[in-house]
Amino acid sequence: EAQVTQNPRYLITVTGKKLTVTCSQNMNHEYMSWYRQDPGLGLRQIYYSMNVEVTDKGDVPEGYKVSRKEKRNFPLILESPSPNQTSLYFCASSNKGGIHYGYTFGSGTRLTVV
Amino acid sequence: EDQVTQSPEALRLQEGESSSLNCSYTVSGLRGLFWYRQDPGKGPEFLFTLYSAGEEKEKERLKATLTKKESFLHITAPKPEDSATYLCAVLFGYGQNFVFGPGTRLSVLP
Repeated sequence: EAQVTQNPRYLITVTGKKLTVTCSQNMNHEYMSWYRQDPGLGLRQIYYSMNVEVTDKGDVPEGYKVSRKEKRNFPLILESPSPNQTSLYFCASSNKGGIHYGYTFGSGTRLTVV
Repeated sequence: EDQVTQSPEALRLQEGESSSLNCSYTVSGLRGLFWYRQDPGKGPEFLFTLYSAGEEKEKERLKATLTKKESFLHITAPKPEDSATYLCAVLFGYGQNFVFGPGTRLSVLP
């Protein structure tokens, strides 16, 4: 089945403890993105990647890192999480930049930082 | 400032009662306007891409239209399974700069 897989689905962590949220897609898509979704603010883009080793900032990149060493994987790294990074995170992938067929989203990772 | 707004914030319809959702945008260099559907606890699901003013797309009971400043998602004779949050997004400028609207939460009552 074609899908974007995120892990973990739920995560509770403490301030300052480094964490990684993994994202993997099995559709051979070139483009991948990370979003956070907060009530009243909608989906906001954190980082995106247009190919292996090609990444760029979205609207809210502060406090996050990404890497794209393989086409299928696009992990999101929080080096020193803070409570304001508590949110619902989505990874997404697409072919041809999502223009024709949109992005395929994962099921989300709910992160709580205490 | 590049911005996407949606109205209404929430909409309750009786089954069979047609209506429209609005997405207004102010961006330069629009490359595409997208509609997604999001069910509770799930990621958004792609519905349509619209590229230029005057364009229309249809899928089952949904029809999306685009003008130079806004898009409408028309829902004809909705069913309870159409209940979801509908998101619009715009792609503009260079790269993959997507901006999403806050969404319209649609409830269709049987």
